[in-house]
Amino acid sequence: EAGVTQFPSHSVIEKGQTVTLRCDPISGHDNLYWYRRVMGKEIKFLLHFVKESKQDESGMPNNRFLAERTGGTYSTLKVQPAELEDSGVYFCASSQATFFLTDTQYFGPGTRLTVL
Amino acid sequence: TQLLEQSPQFLSIQEGENLTVYCNSSSVFSSLQWYRQEPGEGPVLLVTVVTGGEVKKLKRLTFQFGDARKDSSLHITAAQPGDTGLYLCAGASGGAQKLVFGQGTRLTINP
Repeated sequence: EAGVTQFPSHSVIEKGQTVTLRCDPISGHDNLYWYRRVMGKEIKFLLHFVKESKQDESGMPNNRFLAERTGGTYSTLKVQPAELEDSGVYFCASSQATFFLTDTQYFGPGTRLTVL
Repeated sequence: TQLLEQSPQFLSIQEGENLTVYCNSSSVFSSLQWYRQEPGEGPVLLVTVVTGGEVKKLKRLTFQFGDARKDSSLHITAAQPGDTGLYLCAGASGGAQKLVFGQGTRLTINP
């Protein structure tokens, strides 16, 4: 079974440009999460999809970030326009069910975003 | 805002020694998870603890959840170079499934 995949693995852009990150969850997983780790800080939650619906977007830093999950499969996270402080590693995770708090979240390898 | 304070942030010891990593909070968590992360990869789940006072063992690794479910520890016995890596604790609370992470402990085991 394929794990969570993320594309691209690295992205270097200039301030003011737009970047779109993609996450393909494990097949059949309804829950999809985005997290971010900026330099020197802990991994922080951004948002949570259940199928195509945003369940919790309390961690989204501002309206320059737009996440979508059309059709309840893959998800995209767009940053427009990118700022220097957006640099970091963006992780996607997926889990199977919504019933248990202990459902394992499987993480992708992350996308390292560098904004110059 | 819930926070998890993880300590130490860096630990370098010799092979064969024992070590403990701590994860503390002033908040109550319904579950606490320990992950290990390798360079270029995402965190991989090691264990989940859900009951106050719970102890789980994974070979030479022992995980404990505090009685009040505010803290947890990871103890490694007879550390080996293969244990080298970044260890992360993460908690979930209430009905939320989002995880709150500690800063991580970068562990180096020297042969």
